[in-house]
Amino acid sequence: SQTIHQWPATLVQPVGSPLSLECTVEGTSNPNLYWYRQAAGRGLQLLFYSVGIGQISSEVPQNLSASRPQDRQFILSSKKLLLSDSGFYLCAWSGTGRVGNEKLFFGSGTQLSVL
Amino acid sequence: SQKIEQNSEALNIQEGKTATLTCNYTNYSPAYLQWYRQDPGRGPVFLLLIRENEKEKRKERLKVTFDTTLKQSLFHITASQPADSATYLCALGSNYQLIWGAGTKLIIKP
Repeated sequence: SQTIHQWPATLVQPVGSPLSLECTVEGTSNPNLYWYRQAAGRGLQLLFYSVGIGQISSEVPQNLSASRPQDRQFILSSKKLLLSDSGFYLCAWSGTGRVGNEKLFFGSGTQLSVL
Repeated sequence: SQKIEQNSEALNIQEGKTATLTCNYTNYSPAYLQWYRQDPGRGPVFLLLIRENEKEKRKERLKVTFDTTLKQSLFHITASQPADSATYLCALGSNYQLIWGAGTKLIIKP
């Protein structure tokens, strides 16, 4: 069966520090991969999605970046965190259908606090 | 702009009753509508997907309706249990986009 691993679960970082969140998927090949951010009381905001190795689409201009070095690995990074980067970050995967048509399977999330 | 509305107030339901959650949308013509459950501090879990040409879909105690004329989806949980307490999110999808509501918190009281 497929599983998705996301870590760390919580992270407290000072403003201006770098960020690296990692997500890996097991039990499936060539999944679509996604990074979302969820603010309290708001809908999920898509940050990045990837349909293959090295293929990254950015949905929201920001100081974050994403990379997909391997088929089932997705990394969210920042060189310098801002206070506004605080939030609940979720990694997800789906089948290879078009974005919006596929059900998503989410990781357990990372609660990031930038102080 | 596209807008999805879910009741921002928590919904309190007595155990055993049917819980009904609403998802309304404007300025959008989705081909798909999905419902997810999210527990505190956890990622959402997929529940049901319904297509625009489907009026109703069921899975065990869950039922979803999709009315493209009213631009509304209703999500029903029959014989509700305290374990059903969670936040429920709706998401509207087309080929290239998935837009999320903010969710409704459901509380089932014993």
